[in-house]
Amino acid sequence: KAGVTQTPRYLIKTRGQQVTLSCSPISGHRSVSWYQQTPGQGLQFLFEYFSETQRNKGNFPGRFSGRQFSNSRSEMNVSTLELGDSALYLCASSTPGYTEAFFGQGTRLTVV
Amino acid sequence: TQLLEQSPQFLSIQEGENLTVYCNSSSVFSSLQWYRQEPGEGPVLLVTVVTGGEVKKLKRLTFQFGDARKDSSLHITAAQPGDTGLYLCASRPIQGAQKLVFGQGTRLTINP
Repeated sequence: KAGVTQTPRYLIKTRGQQVTLSCSPISGHRSVSWYQQTPGQGLQFLFEYFSETQRNKGNFPGRFSGRQFSNSRSEMNVSTLELGDSALYLCASSTPGYTEAFFGQGTRLTVV
Repeated sequence: TQLLEQSPQFLSIQEGENLTVYCNSSSVFSSLQWYRQEPGEGPVLLVTVVTGGEVKKLKRLTFQFGDARKDSSLHITAAQPGDTGLYLCASRPIQGAQKLVFGQGTRLTINP
């Protein structure tokens, strides 16, 4: 069974640009969550989607948005990038009982 | 909001030593997961504990769930350099479709 796939693995963007990250969950998983991780910080929750609906949202500005498609694949978008947005962005899909989360390898975003 | 507190935040020991890290909350867990994350990669699920008092073993790693399901511990016997990483505990609150909450992690370094 394929794991969670995130693309791209690495990305370099300039301040002010926007970026879209993609996440394909494990087959059968309908819940996808996104996290931001910066050096010295834990996992900061961005949002969670279930069946194309945003179910939970973290304390991030409106520049951070996401969506989920009917096949459970998810994208997150960050507009007007700032230097502080440089981070490892992690996507996780959850089992049908929503107990465990399985993570992708992440997308390392660097804003210059 | 349920908070998970991990201790210690940093731990550096010599190969062959034993260690224990802790995860505590003021709230009761429905279940609890432990993850290990290596630099630049996504967290990998190690174990899920569900029943109060439960003990699970994964080779040299022993996971224990408190009787009241408000705390958990991870014990590593004869630590090896390959155990180096960030150890995270996580849980989802019992009520409602709540997000998966993570502790801030224990950064473990095993020196050869």
